[in-house]
Amino acid sequence: EDQVTQSPEALRLQEGESSSLNCSYTVSGLRGLFWYRQDPGKGPEFLFTLYSAGEEKEKERLKATLTKKESFLHITAPKPEDSATYLCAVTSGGYQKVTFGTGTKLQVIP
Amino acid sequence: NAGVTQTPKFQVLKTGQSMTLQCAQDMNHNSMYWYRQDPGMGLRLIYYSASEGTTDKGEVPNGYNVSRLNKREFSLRLESAAPSQTSVYFCASSGQMNTEAFFGQGTRLTVV
Repeated sequence: EDQVTQSPEALRLQEGESSSLNCSYTVSGLRGLFWYRQDPGKGPEFLFTLYSAGEEKEKERLKATLTKKESFLHITAPKPEDSATYLCAVTSGGYQKVTFGTGTKLQVIP
Repeated sequence: NAGVTQTPKFQVLKTGQSMTLQCAQDMNHNSMYWYRQDPGMGLRLIYYSASEGTTDKGEVPNGYNVSRLNKREFSLRLESAAPSQTSVYFCASSGQMNTEAFFGQGTRLTVV
């Protein structure tokens, strides 16, 4: 059974203080790893898809990386508007479904 | 371009009542999904439709039924609501199965 574990559960940063969120996964044949952002009271918003170890993708202050066991979402010089819950999800070559982690709640203090 | 639209946004049901959650997408996506989100448990797949005319069970299908009415619309029905179905429900769509998904705003359902 696919498993996704995100850490930390919550993270509080000062504005401009860079950090990383972790997503560890166990799957039989990774087909894709997704990062989403979720604001309170809203649905998740797609950020990135990563397909193979060594792959990296960037968007503004966010950079996602992938290894064979985990993915990192690096946040460089965060701003208060980056405050949200960040969700990681994986899909594997077996059963056709996406497994989500429980998320990291990020708070960026001005 | 509205993306994925869900109705209603909030609903309170009494135990045993039935209701249908509506979802429509305007992105010409083939695949649609229904998830529930509960505190500390992450998003869990209830049912999905890989393409128009097909539906399949996800991780937690008990107590639910779905209908893929056409390519745009995918509804979720609770035949006899139970307090354990209190949750936030999200509809999503993607171009193909399990590629990047676009989510609706969610329906917050309370069963008393």
